[in-house]
Amino acid sequence: GENVEQHPSTLSVQEGDSAVIKCTYSDSASNYFPWYKQELGKRPQLIIDIRSNVGEKKDQRIAVTLNKTAKHFSLHITETQPEDSAVYFCAASRPGGSYIPTFGRGTSLIVHP
Amino acid sequence: GAVVSQHPSWVICKSGTSVKIECRSLDFQATTMFWYRQFPKQSLMLMATSNEGSKATYEQGVEKDKFLINHASLTLSTLTVTSAHPEDSSFYICSAAGVSGNTIYFGEGSWLTVV
Repeated sequence: GENVEQHPSTLSVQEGDSAVIKCTYSDSASNYFPWYKQELGKRPQLIIDIRSNVGEKKDQRIAVTLNKTAKHFSLHITETQPEDSAVYFCAASRPGGSYIPTFGRGTSLIVHP
Repeated sequence: GAVVSQHPSWVICKSGTSVKIECRSLDFQATTMFWYRQFPKQSLMLMATSNEGSKATYEQGVEKDKFLINHASLTLSTLTVTSAHPEDSSFYICSAAGVSGNTIYFGEGSWLTVV
């Protein structure tokens, strides 16, 4: 099955700095890679996603890059703000009726004001 | 995006009793729903995949007789924790696959405390 590795587990940055979270996956058939943000005690919220036919996608301060050959994808947050502090999860899934995403272990991002 | 609602948000129960958690897709039909368990500061652990009209598929190590899943309609799946014990205390969260298939949406989650 799919295996998703996520690094780092904890990331501490100063407000205004950039933050990068990296994930690798093992199943070359995976073609959909969402990123979720989870605040303490709340549900994970989809913040951005990318499909395998695209190498990069950007939405304001958030961007995701995908390298299919190396089987890794990254989340980039620029101009970080304290409200960006949360746990971020990457996931990978393959096409098909029995879609089941595999999640990374999560990255706790702390943005210091 | 699609809306998934989970109820209750918080529940406290006594050891030995059963607790039911509901997961509803409010504005779309979800043929597949997923149930996760999350421990503090840890990732989402998939417990089972719930398919409408058929038996749920449980992940290895998850007791199907303890965690009963029913997906009787395209908008509702339920998780019943039977004979609850304190070690069952956790954050349980459901998700549903949208019409497109790939994108999934999470419920609010349910905090279960067994005393």
